[in-house]
Amino acid sequence: SQTIHQWPATLVQPVGSPLSLECTVEGTSNPNLYWYRQAAGRGLQLLFYSVGIGQISSEVPQNLSASRPQDRQFILSSKKLLLSDSGFYLCASRRDRGYEQYFGPGTRLTVT
Amino acid sequence: AQKVTQAQTEISVVEKEDVTLDCVYETRDTTYYLFWYKQPPSGELVFLIRRNSFDEQNEISGRYSWNFQKSTSSFNFTITASQVVDSAVYFCALSEEALGGSQGNLIFGKGTKLSVKP
Repeated sequence: SQTIHQWPATLVQPVGSPLSLECTVEGTSNPNLYWYRQAAGRGLQLLFYSVGIGQISSEVPQNLSASRPQDRQFILSSKKLLLSDSGFYLCASRRDRGYEQYFGPGTRLTVT
Repeated sequence: AQKVTQAQTEISVVEKEDVTLDCVYETRDTTYYLFWYKQPPSGELVFLIRRNSFDEQNEISGRYSWNFQKSTSSFNFTITASQVVDSAVYFCALSEEALGGSQGNLIFGKGTKLSVKP
């Protein structure tokens, strides 16, 4: 079965600072990978998904970007954080030819 | 267009009560997949069940049961004899059969927060 790791678990960053969140997956090869954001008390918003190395699709235009340098590594970045970037960031993985997504433990980001 | 509606924002029950969480979906595809996820206070989403559009059999797993009805586009989730540990936000989600099945993006409802009090 898949295991999804995310770090850091929590992060407090000032407005205008850069961001790098990392997600790694164990237990599967060539997964589809996803980044979601969940604002306080709200639903899940899909930010990016990737079907392979270097292949990134953006669902929501904003100051965030994603990269997939290795098969089981997915990175979420920003050059300059905004207050509105605060939230709970979840990485998910769907195995090749699978259906359900499995989620990591999440990163709670507070932009001050 | 795809859409998942969870009309119940919050539900509060007393332990041992049965509770049903509603989920209504919209899709134009004939092949699609429905899911339920649980998000406990720790935040991680836990996969509970997947249902394929061509399989309308209801499913029971311990105290959990799911009722899938294509005629009403609903996929409801019932917890029997609720327990405090069931307190969480529950999400219903839909995935359509994308071209080649290569995307599998989930459309989530807004979630139902369930509080089970002792």
